Amino acid sequence: SAVISQKPSRDICQRGTSLTIQCQVDSQVTMMFWYRQQPGQSLTLIATANQGSEATYESGFVIDKFPISRPNLTFSTLTVSNMSPEDSSIYLCSVQTGTTNTGELFFGEGSRLTVL
Amino acid sequence: KQEVTQIPAALSVPEGENLVLNCSFTDSAIYNLQWFRQDPGKGLTSLLLIQSSQREQTSGRLNASLDKSSGRSTLYIAASQPGDSATYLCAGLTSGTYKYIFGTGTRLKVLA
Repeated sequence: SAVISQKPSRDICQRGTSLTIQCQVDSQVTMMFWYRQQPGQSLTLIATANQGSEATYESGFVIDKFPISRPNLTFSTLTVSNMSPEDSSIYLCSVQTGTTNTGELFFGEGSRLTVL
Repeated sequence: KQEVTQIPAALSVPEGENLVLNCSFTDSAIYNLQWFRQDPGKGLTSLLLIQSSQREQTSGRLNASLDKSSGRSTLYIAASQPGDSATYLCAGLTSGTYKYIFGTGTRLKVLA
């Protein structure tokens, strides 16, 4: 298993500002992901955070809006840039242990952002 | 494109009932199937993982099964308790993309 810590747990932000969310894992993992959960919705994958290289973004998500860093195998950050009320969501960091086709997914507690 | 549907979307039952939550995939080509629990405003807690070679997994009062041929999974909760109240999400690890795709969730309320 993996224990994942996210900061901040929640925040209220003003329109046009940016916020960086941190994700710390208690062990080294290759596969780390960022998800978004809009109010009342299921989870949508934003990107795969790649250690030492640029993140791989899913359709509809771009690096300018959601820059991601992954300096090592235990830490990642997601920045939500130039926020608007539509960005109000829970942002979740997750890791997949094991291999690409056998691994189990674990999540942090999430960061609940409210944009005014 | 893989889509995952969970039925029912919401469920309210009296304490002690046995219940079944359903999860179906449009593309049955998946590796693993994982069930999660999410409490309001919180992250996801992994409940059960069914590996590619398995058909079911059990943990306490929970039992999950996977039928790849029909693209369906069920989560069985025995003797439900108020503490089971939460949203339950299934997610399939899709072949080809090697990414987990999440279902729409079932909101469960167990009444004391």
